[in-house]
Amino acid sequence: GAGVSQTPSNKVTEKGKYVELRCDPISGHTALYWYRQSLGQGPEFLIYFQGTGAADDSGLPNDRFFAVRPEGSVSTLKIQRTERGDSAVYLCASSLIPGGSSPLHFGNGTRLTVT
Amino acid sequence: RKEVEQDPGPFNVPEGATVAFNCTYSNSASQSFFWYRQDCRKEPKLLMSVYSSGNEDGRFTAQLNRASQYISLLIRDSKLSDSATYLCVVKGDNTNAGKSTFGDGTTLTVKP
Repeated sequence: GAGVSQTPSNKVTEKGKYVELRCDPISGHTALYWYRQSLGQGPEFLIYFQGTGAADDSGLPNDRFFAVRPEGSVSTLKIQRTERGDSAVYLCASSLIPGGSSPLHFGNGTRLTVT
Repeated sequence: RKEVEQDPGPFNVPEGATVAFNCTYSNSASQSFFWYRQDCRKEPKLLMSVYSSGNEDGRFTAQLNRASQYISLLIRDSKLSDSATYLCVVKGDNTNAGKSTFGDGTTLTVKP
C-alpha cells in the first residue's frame, strides 16, 4: 500500500520567506509526527498529532514554526520568516497508534534550504 | 546530556564480522524501544523492535537492559549491504505515550 508521502521533496527559499511542507500519512494511521534532521545527527522531534490535535508540540523551536492537521489526515508544517538555521531535512512519520510498540513509518522527507 | 546516546563510530568491519552497538537512555520510564536503519540521504526505516526478553531477526539480535537503561544491537556475519547508520529510538513515558526520541546514530561500514 501507499506509504507516507511528503511534498515538496526539495524546497529552496530566501531568508525571511514563508514555507509550507505537506505530509500525507499512511491511511488509517492516527498518529502523525514531524521531525527535522541535520547532517550527522539523528531526527529531532518537533511535534506529534493524535487525530486532529497536537498531543505534544514541545519540540517546536520557536513561534515561527506551526503545524496543523485539520481533518486528522494530511498535515502541514508552516515556517514563517525562515532563517538559514532552518535548513535541514524535515521528516514526517505516521504510526497506527501513538503509544505502545507501534513503530513510526517515515516519508522521504523535504530538504529545505534557506539562502 | 542527551536523552538517547550512541557511540557515533564509525565502525569499519570486514565482511563476515560480528559487530555490536550500544545505546543508553536517560528516562527510566521509557516504554518502547526500536532500532532503525538509515541509508545515506534516505529516510529512517524500522529494523526491529526491542523486547525485554531480547529478540532475534535473522542475523540481528536486540537486547534491552532496563536496570542499566541500555539497548544493544548485534549483527552477525556482516554483509556489505549492512553499511548504514543505525539509530536507537526510545518511545513514551509515564506522561507521553507517543513521543519517540532518536539517538544520533552509529555509522557502520562493512568492507570486502
